[in-house]
Amino acid sequence: DAKTTQPNSMESNEEEPVHLPCNHSTISGTDYIHWYRQLPSQGPEYVIHGLTSNVNNRMASLAIAEDRKSSTLILHRATLRDAAVYYCILSPRSGSARQLTFGSGTQLTVLP
Amino acid sequence: DSGVTQTPKHLITATGQRVTLRCSPRSGDLSVYWYQQSLDQGLQFLIQYYNGEERAKGNILERFSAQQFPDLHSELNLSSLELGDSALYFCASSKKNAGAHTDTQYFGPGTRLTVL
Repeated sequence: DAKTTQPNSMESNEEEPVHLPCNHSTISGTDYIHWYRQLPSQGPEYVIHGLTSNVNNRMASLAIAEDRKSSTLILHRATLRDAAVYYCILSPRSGSARQLTFGSGTQLTVLP
Repeated sequence: DSGVTQTPKHLITATGQRVTLRCSPRSGDLSVYWYQQSLDQGLQFLIQYYNGEERAKGNILERFSAQQFPDLHSELNLSSLELGDSALYFCASSKKNAGAHTDTQYFGPGTRLTVL
């Protein structure tokens, strides 16, 4: 499986934008980029996913580099509730097995 | 609330025992996944079922087994329990069928297993 690299931890101030980077230099042309997050004492939660184009939803935006070797999850205004571990995961486009391979993720701390 | 339910929330048992964890997927979801989260190993995929059939296996021990029933709920059976099996066990379900290009997994709140 193609691997992702994320910083272990990041800090942000409340109500400021947060940019969470992910490197995936060995991504294949058919891999989707997924982001999940895990709040304390909860199960992982889907945030966003994309293939080639930038994506927006109510939670976040995903900016994908033109060569697809990196991506950035953007939280437009961090709140205290956004403090979580954020995982960047590659998922193959084809095939019936869709398990997620979690790395160590980025622990985001939001300061009031 | 993801719509995925897991029971029990907590389970405390002794080494050598056997336990069953239960998962009810979101309405209409055909795929069920089981994951284990321990402090030293992180979140690891165990096994996937799709519409009653095993679809993929991860790092699941031989002492562990799972099944998905006709009503689509799933059970994870853990036997001959060891101290190292203490972990959070998450179930996830996904909406689209296996032929779709990608899908989103919705995770339950987990079962915390403590083996004493």
